[in-house]
Amino acid sequence: AQKITQTQPGMFVQEKEAVTLDCTYDTSDPSYGLFWYKQPSSGEMIFLIYQGSYDQQNATEGRYSLNFQKARKSANLVISASQLGDSAMYFCAMREGGSYGGATNKLIFGTGTLLAVQP
Amino acid sequence: EAQVTQNPRYLITVTGKKLTVTCSQNMNHEYMSWYRQDPGLGLRQIYYSMNVEVTDKGDVPEGYKVSRKEKRNFPLILESPSPNQTSLYFCASSFSNTGELFFGEGSRLTVL
Repeated sequence: AQKITQTQPGMFVQEKEAVTLDCTYDTSDPSYGLFWYKQPSSGEMIFLIYQGSYDQQNATEGRYSLNFQKARKSANLVISASQLGDSAMYFCAMREGGSYGGATNKLIFGTGTLLAVQP
Repeated sequence: EAQVTQNPRYLITVTGKKLTVTCSQNMNHEYMSWYRQDPGLGLRQIYYSMNVEVTDKGDVPEGYKVSRKEKRNFPLILESPSPNQTSLYFCASSFSNTGELFFGEGSRLTVL
């Protein structure tokens, strides 16, 4: 069964430093998609970054980058130059059914990592 | 502005009193789904819809119903809410089964 594991329930980081949030996944599909979402205390889910299993390069979006290590089945999120506004819960997710979500278009979510940025 | 709109955002109700959480998207998306978020469990899919009049169960459908009579709307119906349905609910949509999921702002439901 497909599964996402986030082993860090909570993390602290100093403002302006970089932080890595861990995510490992388990799937037997050769084709899949990996997502990171941010959930601030207000509750909404904000899309951050996407990595397809066949993408040759690691995805980057501004201060966010995804360290994709396919052989290790890991998709860690790296936030550079942390800001106070980065304090939030972060979820890693995988699209079921490969890059093409099939009929359900379902995302399987990890349990999240709560990041606190300290001034 | 492209968005997924849920209502109500917050609701406190009592066991057994039927309620509906509405979801509407203005992006002409075909795929819509409902998730619930519970502490320590992440988000889990309740129901999904591929298009108008096409719906099916997700991972945790018990106690919920949905309908998709129009492309833009996908309401979640709790016929007889129970306390174990106290949760944060998200509606999501995407243009295709390969595209990014756009989430609504969430609806926090408490069943007493």
